[in-house]
Amino acid sequence: AQSVTQLGSHVSVSEGALVLLRCNYSSSVPPYLFWYVQYPNQGLQLLLKYTTGATLVKGINGFEAEFKKSETSFHLTKPSAHMSDAAEYFCAVTPNQAGTALIFGKGTTLSVSS
Amino acid sequence: DAGITQSPRYKITETGRQVTLMCHQTWSHSYMFWYRQDLGHGLRLIYYSAAADITDKGEVPDGYVVSRSKTENFPLTLESATRSQTSVYFCATKPTGGRGEQYFGPGTRLTVT
Repeated sequence: AQSVTQLGSHVSVSEGALVLLRCNYSSSVPPYLFWYVQYPNQGLQLLLKYTTGATLVKGINGFEAEFKKSETSFHLTKPSAHMSDAAEYFCAVTPNQAGTALIFGKGTTLSVSS
Repeated sequence: DAGITQSPRYKITETGRQVTLMCHQTWSHSYMFWYRQDLGHGLRLIYYSAAADITDKGEVPDGYVVSRSKTENFPLTLESATRSQTSVYFCATKPTGGRGEQYFGPGTRLTVT
């Protein structure tokens, strides 16, 4: 069965500092991987995705993530945090088959201080 | 073009009452999903639908009923609400042939008293 583990339920950084949110997954087949962001009282917005091809994927708002098959990881990074990045972030996985629902991690809340 | 809308956005109901949460999409995506979001659990799948008149259970289906008579609508009904169903409910869609990504509505915050 697939699963997603997000290390750290809460991460705090200073404005301008590196953001690193960790995600490890388990899957019996090559997965599709996603990062979503949720701002307060809003739905989830897709940040970026890995399906096939280049293992370093770039998303919106300056975020990127690298798929490392050997480490079963898909960590999310941003070189310089901005106050507006404060939100909850979810890593998700699905096998590369049509229609299968997403399996989500439990989320990481990112706080950014000035 | 609103994409996905959910109604109501907020709902308070009493234990034992029936309540229906609505989800409507304007994209004609084949797949639709219902998730619930609870602290410490992330998002968990309740039901999903691959097309009109085709539905299937997810991880936490007990106490919920769905239907999909039209592609654009996917209502979720709590037949007899319980306090454990207090949650935020999200509807999502996925197009056929997409790379797995789903698009989420704004959510419905349901409180069962």
